[in-house]
Amino acid sequence: GQNIDQPTEMTATEGAIVQINCTYQTSGFNGLFWYQQHAGEAPTFLSYNVLDGLEEKGRFSSFLSRSKGYSYLLLKELQMKDSASYLCAVMDSNYQLIWGAGTKLIIKP
Amino acid sequence: GAVVSQHPSWVICKSGTSVKIECRSLDFQATTMFWYRQFPKQSLMLMATSNEGSKATYEQGVEKDKFLINHASLTLSTLTVTSAHPEDSSFYICSARDRGESQPQHFGDGTRLSIL
Repeated sequence: GQNIDQPTEMTATEGAIVQINCTYQTSGFNGLFWYQQHAGEAPTFLSYNVLDGLEEKGRFSSFLSRSKGYSYLLLKELQMKDSASYLCAVMDSNYQLIWGAGTKLIIKP
Repeated sequence: GAVVSQHPSWVICKSGTSVKIECRSLDFQATTMFWYRQFPKQSLMLMATSNEGSKATYEQGVEKDKFLINHASLTLSTLTVTSAHPEDSSFYICSARDRGESQPQHFGDGTRLSIL
């Protein structure tokens, strides 16, 4: 079966750095997406990785290792507004998006 | 770019009413649109995938006669919840994907549906 694993909840301090991990087992791979979802709102697109390595976009970076079936989202200089759920999603060989359950990130002052 | 508009944002109506939700891609042509449902504190659940000009593909367990999807143009898809009941109350979110299967999905703001 297809499976996406990410931690249910994480807590971090304002100004710090946090890494949210995602591991996956899917039938084929056509890229991995990270989305941010604030409570009561729809998800917003953060990043897309299809090749191994690190993609940096401002305070957010996303890393992919296809051989390990592993990705992480790195958030630097955390702000209170970063409190949200972070969703990992993998596109399989049929270009279907397989969604993780999301990681709820709590930022404390 | 890549803005998706979803309307209405909130709907409160009586049991037995049919409710139509619209999803529009404002600055790109969406050959594929997706409809999701999300219950509180749960993950997104894909209901159906619609391609412009063809019938929607529904996920297992989703009643196609209950949730009617029409993707009549490259910028508009609609979801109609027919004869809605309280158990249909949920957060419905649409997303649209630009041409190219590896393109990200861009989400509308969602519709919060409450059936009394």
